Amino acid sequence: AQSVTQLDSHVSVSEGTPVLLRCNYSSSYSPSLFWYVQHPNKGLQLLLKYTSAATLVKGINGFEAEFKKSETSFHLTKPSAHMSDAAEYFCVVSDGTGRRALTFGSGTRLQVQP
Amino acid sequence: DARVTQTPRHKVTEMGQEVTMRCQPILGHNTVFWYRQTMMQGLELLAYFRNRAPLDDSGMPKDRFSAEMPDATLATLKIQPSEPRDSAVYFCASGLVVSSGANVLTFGAGSRLTVL
Repeated sequence: AQSVTQLDSHVSVSEGTPVLLRCNYSSSYSPSLFWYVQHPNKGLQLLLKYTSAATLVKGINGFEAEFKKSETSFHLTKPSAHMSDAAEYFCVVSDGTGRRALTFGSGTRLQVQP
Repeated sequence: DARVTQTPRHKVTEMGQEVTMRCQPILGHNTVFWYRQTMMQGLELLAYFRNRAPLDDSGMPKDRFSAEMPDATLATLKIQPSEPRDSAVYFCASGLVVSSGANVLTFGAGSRLTVL
């Protein structure tokens, strides 16, 4: 079985300050992990992915995430928030075999205050 | 850029009517997913195809929903009869499972369904 928990449903930061979106996962297999972003009235876009290579993964728009197996975490960070980062972010786990569908977290809505 | 194409983008219909949503996955992708997104439930997996065969449709109400892939370029999701509680945004996504098992999905823009 696999599951993913996004620890915060809403995060609010000021523009120019760091962003931290938290995600914990569980998986019976060596997982693949992803972060997707959804802007209002848009589809989901891949931000970054972890597939058992480097544990620190860099994505688009300055985001990165670190896979920590001991903590079963895959938190998303960005050093400096931009207004355009305001969106919903989804942490996603795959079982690594491709036999099961992806499991999405419930999402974290990021607000960026001017 | 390759993209997943969904039609219609918006659909308003009356309760009891049949609704068909279509998806053209990215050429060469071997997996197709249907998700439903609502404010209350978030993203829910409805169906998952690999190489056109259904792998998982446990999230789909079988009495009214059906999902098919008549060929590699078309996936369909039908609701018959539709009900107001089916109002949601329906996303199609396609992906390519690679040797590591990673399945990076590309999402379509969604079909917004309103059932009156």
